[in-house]
Amino acid sequence: AQSVTQLGSHVSVSEGALVLLRCNYSSSVPPYLFWYVQYPNQGLQLLLKYTSAATLVKGINGFEAEFKKSETSFHLTKPSAHMSDAAEYFCAVTGRGSSNTGKLIFGQGTTLQVKP
Amino acid sequence: SQTIHQWPATLVQPVGSPLSLECTVEGTSNPNLYWYRQAAGRGLQLLFYSVGIGQISSEVPQNLSASRPQDRQFILSSKKLLLSDSGFYLCAWSARGLWAFQETQYFGPGTRLLVL
Repeated sequence: AQSVTQLGSHVSVSEGALVLLRCNYSSSVPPYLFWYVQYPNQGLQLLLKYTSAATLVKGINGFEAEFKKSETSFHLTKPSAHMSDAAEYFCAVTGRGSSNTGKLIFGQGTTLQVKP
Repeated sequence: SQTIHQWPATLVQPVGSPLSLECTVEGTSNPNLYWYRQAAGRGLQLLFYSVGIGQISSEVPQNLSASRPQDRQFILSSKKLLLSDSGFYLCAWSARGLWAFQETQYFGPGTRLLVL
């Protein structure tokens, strides 16, 4: 079975500060991991994707995430927050299971607030 | 480039009324299609997925059904809505590869449904 835990439903940072959004996963198969961002009343936009090629994954808008198998983590970071980064962020996992569905298992989401 | 459309954007329906939400994808052929629901405080949950015309798999028992009458059209329906059907419904597509879990899912703008 697969699951995702996002620590902290709300994170608040000052503009220009480091952004760190935490994601831990559980998977009995090699995982594929994703970070999506959702702006108010919009769909989900892919930030980045881990597919076992490289442990440090760079995404759009200056975000990156590092896959750490020993810690079962895939935390999302950005060196300097911008006001436009305020949104809800979802970590998701999938992997080869008993059925080839591509089903994404999502975390509960983390709302990022950026203060001026 | 590929685009995904959903309509309507917002819908307010009385309990017991029927429902039809539509999703269409442009710029690709033979996509995998997905319906997710985002309910308040419950995160994102996969409802249905489809790997081809007329092929629908349900992930959770519920009051909803899905159909795929054309290759790039995915419809979510209900004969009688319940209060618990309220939520934000997201359609997603992915390319048809050997393994669905390897493919990135791209989400539509969503439909917000309020059942009163």
